[in-house]
Amino acid sequence: SAVISQKPSRDICQRGTSLTIQCQVDSQVTMMFWYRQQPGQSLTLIATANQGSEATYESGFVIDKFPISRPNLTFSTLTVSNMSPEDSSIYLCSVDGLAANNEQFFGPGTRLTVL
Amino acid sequence: KQEVTQIPAALSVPEGENLVLNCSFTDSAIYNLQWFRQDPGKGLTSLLLIQSSQREQTSGRLNASLDKSSGRSTLYIAASQPGDSATYLCAVYNQAGTALIFGKGTTLSVSS
Repeated sequence: SAVISQKPSRDICQRGTSLTIQCQVDSQVTMMFWYRQQPGQSLTLIATANQGSEATYESGFVIDKFPISRPNLTFSTLTVSNMSPEDSSIYLCSVDGLAANNEQFFGPGTRLTVL
Repeated sequence: KQEVTQIPAALSVPEGENLVLNCSFTDSAIYNLQWFRQDPGKGLTSLLLIQSSQREQTSGRLNASLDKSSGRSTLYIAASQPGDSATYLCAVYNQAGTALIFGKGTTLSVSS
């Protein structure tokens, strides 16, 4: 496995503002993903962060709301834009390509509360 | 559309018991299946990955099985300990082998 870190670990934000979450891996990885875990729910994939090209978004998620950057093979950011209380969730990044069997590994998550 | 279901939603057992967590999925054409553990307010820890060609994987006191034809996987925990208390998540990979589709998890409480 590898060390995956996320910043910030938690934040409390006001409605209408934006927050950028960073994900850093200590090894180069092919694939990086962003998931959302709403309170009491399981994880839902937001998008796949592609290095050198636009992210691929899942149904129900759009680039204007969740812009993603992937400038290199070890780093990605997810921005939650124009936040509302419904955006209060844990946001997690994950990576694969560290193991031959495509096992995915997750960062510690960012707990976001929107007031 | 692939759906993943985990039963039971919650489980309480005394220390030392062996237990089984269940996971079912609607589309048997999966790539791989992975079990995770999530502690309250934390990220996910990978426990076991079963490739689609495999039937089981073992790690310490954990054993995971996969029956693709019936759309089921089980996670067996032997000799449970209070430190095993957490939420256990089952996830299947989409056919492209990239994105994970998660169940809602089983929250396990092991009392001493």
